[in-house]
Amino acid sequence: DTEVTQTPKHLVMGMTNKKSLKCEQHMGHRAMYWYKQKAKKPPELMFVYSYEKLSINESVPSRFSPECPNSSLLNLHLHALQPEDSALYLCASSQPHGTSGSSEQFFGPGTRLTVL
Amino acid sequence: GQQLNQSPQSMFIQEGEDVSMNCTSSSIFNTWLWYKQDPGEGPVLLIALYKAGELTSNGRLTAQFGITRKDSFLNISASIPSDVGIYFCAGQEYSNSGYALNFGKGTSLLVTP
Repeated sequence: DTEVTQTPKHLVMGMTNKKSLKCEQHMGHRAMYWYKQKAKKPPELMFVYSYEKLSINESVPSRFSPECPNSSLLNLHLHALQPEDSALYLCASSQPHGTSGSSEQFFGPGTRLTVL
Repeated sequence: GQQLNQSPQSMFIQEGEDVSMNCTSSSIFNTWLWYKQDPGEGPVLLIALYKAGELTSNGRLTAQFGITRKDSFLNISASIPSDVGIYFCAGQEYSNSGYALNFGKGTSLLVTP
């Protein structure tokens, strides 16, 4: 099973709303990632969790708040977003650095976020 | 992270033709990955390369990890309409914080029947 699932598939929110994106994987991976992708651009790394601890934060604004409640789940909490935050948000997972085996990152289908 | 130089930016070919695209970087990577992305979907991993000089095939796809570890290419033979999509190369860096993928800008492939 090489599947990463994300919910919801689509999300429309106002600038004053609070919402959360969810990601789940059951491949036993201990590294999980959030990426942001604008149209016709490559994915941009936002956060990396390794063994449920935040290891990389690519200077993302505080209106994005990640959470890793356990080794299979990754959340992205959204609050007071701006219209320019509208994008496809992708979750990925892999084995973490320093472990044996493949380091390939597998992506979920993404959440299409629109901020009005 | 740094951005890779991926070319061509787009290709418009006829079904049955072979396709070649490549990525170059000013830095060395330990791993090169090639992904395909369909509209509105997440990237799907096609091939992963781990050793300099490595040549790997996956069906009609063939990819190579350059000897200098600063480049990689992807070939698609006998293209079919379902090959349409955006292809991204990605170089993977190791750090004490974890893995980070550096993506190319993508190659948009259109295949006409």
